[in-house]
Amino acid sequence: AQSVTQLDSHVSVSEGTPVLLRCNYSSSYSPSLFWYVQHPNKGLQLLLKYTSAATLVKGINGFEAEFKKSETSFHLTKPSAHMSDAAEYFCVVSDSGGGADGLTFGKGTHLIIQP
Amino acid sequence: EPEVTQTPSHQVTQMGQEVILRCVPISNHLYFYWYRQILGQKVEFLVSFYNNEISEKSEIFDDQFSVERPDGSNFTLKIRSTKLEDSAMYFCASSVRRAQGYEQYFGPGTRLTVT
Repeated sequence: AQSVTQLDSHVSVSEGTPVLLRCNYSSSYSPSLFWYVQHPNKGLQLLLKYTSAATLVKGINGFEAEFKKSETSFHLTKPSAHMSDAAEYFCVVSDSGGGADGLTFGKGTHLIIQP
Repeated sequence: EPEVTQTPSHQVTQMGQEVILRCVPISNHLYFYWYRQILGQKVEFLVSFYNNEISEKSEIFDDQFSVERPDGSNFTLKIRSTKLEDSAMYFCASSVRRAQGYEQYFGPGTRLTVT
C-alpha cells in the first residue's frame, strides 16, 4: 500500500524568501510522485511530477522537487516566494503512474506568504 | 487550454435524495476519475473509468455510488440515497498518457451539502 505524509499543515514565509514544503512517501513499488496546487475556489493543478527519470524535477511557476529514494522524500522548493504562491499544496503518490489506479494524496500544506 | 469542467459548482440536497454530479473530461483523455474531499480531510480516490467500464474503485465506492458516461462528452457520478456523511467536495479528473506516464487533470469540484 502507498501513503504520503506531508510534514507541515501550514507553512508561512515572507515574500521573496525560499519555500520548502516537505513530503515523505511510502510505496511498495517504484512510485510516481506528484505535487498539485489548489488555489481558493479552483481545481487541483499539476505542478510537477517524478516518474523515474531525473531525480530533480522542475515544474511550473519556478517550483522544483527532488526525489530522494534513500530518504523516501519528495520535498517541494522554490527559491523566492511570490504572493500568488499562496495556496494549498498536495503531495501525491501513485504506484501505477496514475493510469487505472487512483492517486493517493497527502493531507495538504497551506502555504501563507507574508508581504 | 482544455480543462475539465464540473457542474454544478454547489449542490444542496436532503438526506435520502439522489444526486447526479456532472463532469466533462478533456476530449482526448481516456481515463476518468472521481475523488472526494470531506472538509478538513484528505482527497480520496473513489473510482476510475476506462473504455466504458469501471477500472478500479476504492472501498468508499459502495453500492450507493455509480458512474456513467451517457454520451461522448459527459461523465457522471450518481449517489442513490445521500447520507449526511456524503457531504464533501467531489472532484472529477481525466488523464492522458505522456512519455513518462500519466497525468491527471482535475476539475474545479462540486461542493455537495447533504442536510
